[in-house]
Amino acid sequence: DGGITQSPKYLFRKEGQNVTLSCEQNLNHDAMYWYRQDPGQGLRLIYYSQIVNDFQKGDIAEGYSVSREKKESFPLTVTSAQKNPTAFYLCASSTGQGAGGYTFGSGTRLTVV
Amino acid sequence: KQEVTQIPAALSVPEGENLVLNCSFTDSAIYNLQWFRQDPGKGLTSLLLIQSSQREQTSGRLNASLDKSSGRSTLYIAASQPGDSATYLCAVVMIKAAGNKLTFGGGTRVLVKP
Repeated sequence: DGGITQSPKYLFRKEGQNVTLSCEQNLNHDAMYWYRQDPGQGLRLIYYSQIVNDFQKGDIAEGYSVSREKKESFPLTVTSAQKNPTAFYLCASSTGQGAGGYTFGSGTRLTVV
Repeated sequence: KQEVTQIPAALSVPEGENLVLNCSFTDSAIYNLQWFRQDPGKGLTSLLLIQSSQREQTSGRLNASLDKSSGRSTLYIAASQPGDSATYLCAVVMIKAAGNKLTFGGGTRVLVKP
């Protein structure tokens, strides 16, 4: 079945450490997105990519980095510059125009220890 | 700037009652509107997608309407069940949004009591 796979499900980060969240899709979607969800707040866009080797900052990109070397993959790195990284991270994909709607992964919960 | 609002923020109903969830948006220049369900600690599951040219979409007990001119969408869930307890989110894609980004409402948390 086609879908989006996020791994790991839970991730623990020490202070000053970089961590990478994985997102893989087999839907042949052109566009991919990373959102952050905090309790009591809506989903906020971190980065998005509409095509391989190209990506754009979203509303809260500071402290994060991404790459898009393959159509199927869009990993997110949470760097030590991100001051409050504890959150639930969701990856999504869509066709280029979004006409077919968005598909989301099951999420990664990141906790700073 | 597009703003999406969902009222109420929380809703509790007895099992069997019909659910009515509201979503409003300030800019009618939307490409489509999508309803999602989110269970605690889980990702988003797509329920219904309504293109801007459509008035409604149906799937089983779910029916979503769209009125672009008034900036509203309503999700109806017939004969609610305890398994319908979840948070429901609506989101729109603006026609001119860079990257066709989704703009989300804050969600409605639903509890269906047995």
